[in-house]
Amino acid sequence: AQRVTQPEKLLSVFKGAPVELKCNYSYSGSPELFWYVQYSRQRLQLLLRHISRESIKGFTADLNKGETSFHLKKPFAQEEDSAMYYCALRETSGSRLTFGEGTQLTVNP
Amino acid sequence: SQTIHQWPATLVQPVGSPLSLECTVEGTSNPNLYWYRQAAGRGLQLLFYSVGIGQISSEVPQNLSASRPQDRQFILSSKKLLLSDSGFYLCAWSGWRSSPLHFGNGTRLTVT
Repeated sequence: AQRVTQPEKLLSVFKGAPVELKCNYSYSGSPELFWYVQYSRQRLQLLLRHISRESIKGFTADLNKGETSFHLKKPFAQEEDSAMYYCALRETSGSRLTFGEGTQLTVNP
Repeated sequence: SQTIHQWPATLVQPVGSPLSLECTVEGTSNPNLYWYRQAAGRGLQLLFYSVGIGQISSEVPQNLSASRPQDRQFILSSKKLLLSDSGFYLCAWSGWRSSPLHFGNGTRLTVT
């Protein structure tokens, strides 16, 4: 069965510092990985997906199949990045999406 | 454009009472539909998902059930609520395969 692990429940950095939110997964097939974000009082929404290979709001994430990781990175954190971040894995069949436990990021001024 | 509606936003119910949470999607056809529960420290737990009318997959044994009576309607139910059913319930939809999930605003359920 697939599993997504986000080892840090809480992460606090200062504005302008680099930030990395860790995500590891276990899945026997070829996964599709996502990062979702939930800002205060807003809906959970898609931040980025590995197949797009894009940078959203300065965030990037690279799928490392050797290390089974999909860490989210941003070189210079902003206060508005403070939110709950969830890593998610979609199985090969495309129906089920499994989420990690989430990391609450706080960017301090 | 596609929209997802979930209601009610908050609900307080006594133990042993029934539950019905409704979710509808507009602007798309034959979506995949999902019910998740979001709990502090436990992340998002997939409860049910559906790939078509009348097709429900249950992820965890529990006191809840789901139904999909129409293509764009997904209902989460319980005959008798337990205290442990309290939580934040999220409905979501997606297109086929690689499209991402789109979430509703959620329902905060408190069982007293």
